[in-house]
Amino acid sequence: DTGVSQNPRHKITKRGQNVTFRCDPISEHNRLYWYRQTLGQGPEFLTYFQNEAQLEKSRLLSDRFSAERPKGSFSTLEIQRTEQGDSAMYLCASSLEAGSNQPQHFGDGTRLSIL
Amino acid sequence: AQTVTQSQPEMSVQEAETVTLSCTYDTSESDYYLFWYKQPPSRQMILVIRQEAYKQQNATENRFSVNFQKAAKSFSLKISDSQLGDAAMYFCASQGGSEKLVFGKGTKLTVNP
Repeated sequence: DTGVSQNPRHKITKRGQNVTFRCDPISEHNRLYWYRQTLGQGPEFLTYFQNEAQLEKSRLLSDRFSAERPKGSFSTLEIQRTEQGDSAMYLCASSLEAGSNQPQHFGDGTRLSIL
Repeated sequence: AQTVTQSQPEMSVQEAETVTLSCTYDTSESDYYLFWYKQPPSRQMILVIRQEAYKQQNATENRFSVNFQKAAKSFSLKISDSQLGDAAMYFCASQGGSEKLVFGKGTKLTVNP
């Protein structure tokens, strides 16, 4: 069990560019979550998958954001036409399916900085 | 909608002493779960302790325990025998019918040697 892995750890890009982050969950976990954490705040939910199906999306996930989990294993989060307000830590978490009492395990996050 | 409020932006404690972090929440769910997560500087979020709302008994995990007051919608975390490694941001979170976690803004805990 190597834990939840996120790449890259840091991403610096110019406003208007597209960025893509990757998350590899714990291997037996079929639920995968994306959160965004800005400075001084707790994480905010963006979306989650059960296997390859995207089951819930937050209103925070504007049309510039898209997440996929094509084979029910790793997931990608893409942000198109980045804006200053997209600067944040993007956290991925995974859990087993069996009920809401299964804890979510978090990765180290990808810190996005928009110049 | 669920909300979680942590009213203490920062707390400090002397090593080996006890500290209590406060959390209040609001939810319309009848069945929900509450969590405390720890986030050390530049490190990943780690689950400290969790509580099922239907259980009256307060959860404990070694030096960590909670005081769950369902009627008051309060869920405080007590850390006994504080250690230097306990220094971190602590986040209270709730989880209802939706699978998402709703977090508070966090409390920064400093442990003084």
